[in-house]
This record gives sequence, C-alpha cells and structure tokens, in this order.
Amino acid sequence: DIQMTQSPSSLSASVGDRVTITCRASQGISYYLAWYQQKPGKVPELLISAASALQSGVPSRFSGSGSGTEFTLTISSLQPEDVATYYCQEYSSGPLSFGGGTKVQIK
Amino acid sequence: EVQLVESGGGFVQPGGSLRLSCSASGFTFNTCAMNWVRQAPGKGLEWVSGISLTGSGTYYADSVKGRFTISRDNSKNTVYLQMNRLRAEDTAIYYCAKPVLSINKVRGYLTAFDYWGQGSLVTVSS
Repeated sequence: DIQMTQSPSSLSASVGDRVTITCRASQGISYYLAWYQQKPGKVPELLISAASALQSGVPSRFSGSGSGTEFTLTISSLQPEDVATYYCQEYSSGPLSFGGGTKVQIK
Repeated sequence: EVQLVESGGGFVQPGGSLRLSCSASGFTFNTCAMNWVRQAPGKGLEWVSGISLTGSGTYYADSVKGRFTISRDNSKNTVYLQMNRLRAEDTAIYYCAKPVLSINKVRGYLTAFDYWGQGSLVTVSS
C-alpha cells in the first residue's frame, strides 16, 4: 500500500505570504495526485488533480507541482479565506490514500 | 447541478450494523465509479470503499474488509454501504464522493473526487 506523508502538519503565515505544502509518496505514483481544501465544518473541495491541473473556479494563487514521489501545493499569496486544512490524495493504485493534512492559519 | 445526499447514519452499539445510502443526481450515475470516504472526529480523511460503474468490481480499505459491503442500484442512482460488526473506531462522518469524469473514464474507482455529499455521521458506542 502507498503511504502519503504531508509536511508540515500545521503552519501559520501572514496574509500575502507564499505558502508551500509538501506531500511525499512511499513509492512512485506518476502524476496521480490530488489536493483538497477543507474549511472548518465543511466538506472537502478538490483544488487540483493530476498533480498540477487546477479545478475550474479555483483561484489562480493555488498551484501544484511534482511527479513520482514528491509533490507541492503552493499558495502564492495567502488570503484570509484560505484558512483550512489541506490534504493530498494519491489515486495511482488501490487502496486509495490521503495524506495526514496540513492546517493553515493566519499569523 | 450535482447532488449527493447520504442517509442512514446514526448511533449503534459495537457489533451492530447500519446501512448508508447515497442518492445521486445531476450527472450520469451509471457511467461513474463511486466511492465512500470517512473522517473520524477531528481527524483526517480515510478512503473506505469503491465500486465500479456496473457494480462488478468492489474495493475496500483493509480496516473494513470483511465487515463492510458496497453496492449500487443504477436504476435508483444510489450507492450503498452496508456496515456490519461495527467498532468504536468506525465512528466517523461518511462521505459519498463522485469521481472526476475525465479520470473515471480511464481509471475507474482510482480517481480524485470533485463532488462530495454533506456526509452521514455514524457513532459506534456502548
């Protein structure tokens, strides 16, 4: 089974800061990687699939990169509405697995 | 508009059973593999189970294999999760999730999820 490790588990940054979250897979998953945003008390929302394909309606300050075993989600300019927990998910092979999450807060 | 509406959650004692339902609308249900994902209180997301578009293929996390059964009725646009021999660690919100269509066409249940239901809370406690 593939294990997904996210880092950091939490971070605090100022409005306007560039924020980077890393997700590492225990084995190569090509580009079969998605990122989700979950705001407190809400349902997860898909931000990015195929490692870097931004979903329709997602602000362009979000971007994803990587392939193989190392991936990043970048928020180019953190906004107050970006306070949330972010999860990566691999869909290379079963069973599907999610990273442990990164909680993003405003400093 | 895509809608996924879960039902059937509730409170059950350890060893008991529940059946969750997810009623789908707003997309062509019988062309989509479907999945269940759960989230324990204050914890992260955990994939539980997936089913192929015809129902001929079913897939499970090790943590639920042998206890949970996923099924679907394409005439009713509904996917089910029968949960038996429930344990305290099964306590969670259970989400029904729709695949990204472009991924689903090629990879079936191995997909990302672009729509999620509001979730159904299952509490297992004595």
